[in-house]
Amino acid sequence: AQSVTQLDSQVPVFEEAPVELRCNYSSSVSVYLFWYVQYPNQGLQLLLKYLSGSTLVKGINGFEAEFNKSQTSFHLRKPSVHISDTAEYFCAVSGLNTGGFKTIFGAGTRLFVKA
Amino acid sequence: GAVVSQHPSWVICKSGTSVKIECRSLDFQATTMFWYRQFPKQSLMLMATSNEGSKATYEQGVEKDKFLINHASLTLSTLTVTSAHPEDSSFYICSARDRATSTGELFFGEGSRLTVL
Repeated sequence: AQSVTQLDSQVPVFEEAPVELRCNYSSSVSVYLFWYVQYPNQGLQLLLKYLSGSTLVKGINGFEAEFNKSQTSFHLRKPSVHISDTAEYFCAVSGLNTGGFKTIFGAGTRLFVKA
Repeated sequence: GAVVSQHPSWVICKSGTSVKIECRSLDFQATTMFWYRQFPKQSLMLMATSNEGSKATYEQGVEKDKFLINHASLTLSTLTVTSAHPEDSSFYICSARDRATSTGELFFGEGSRLTVL
């Protein structure tokens, strides 16, 4: 079984400042890790994913995340945020369990970028 | 990239009527699609897993007769909210998994906001 914890429910930050959204997971099987973004009244859009290989993955809109196996973390970062980055961000873990893949979502972190 | 289209985006209906929401994978085949419900400022709640050609698997607490799911083809799944009531008002989102990949990556529809008067 897997679980995902997003440590911050809300993160306010000023425009052009760096940001880190934290995500920790637990799993008894090997997992794939994802970050999705949701803008108001829309579905989820994939930001980036870690499948294997390099632990630093780069995604769209200038975001990147680092997979840390020893700390079971997959924190999302951006060096300089824009107003348009204001949205809800979901960390997700996908693992192969009995019966197939199961994806577990974190509770979400609302990033609020202020001018 | 893979695209999932969900329709309608918005729907308003009277209490007691039924509403159908469609979820289509436009450029890939999806043997598995998922239906979620999302309340304001909350995460996605998985309602059911829709498998092509077989019955859907519902999560605990989700009424099968209330939320009818049909996955008749590799590119289409439908969710029908039967005899809708105001408490069914919510944002419903579908996602699909590409049968050609094995990473568990999900592609999401745009969501459907249901308002029951």
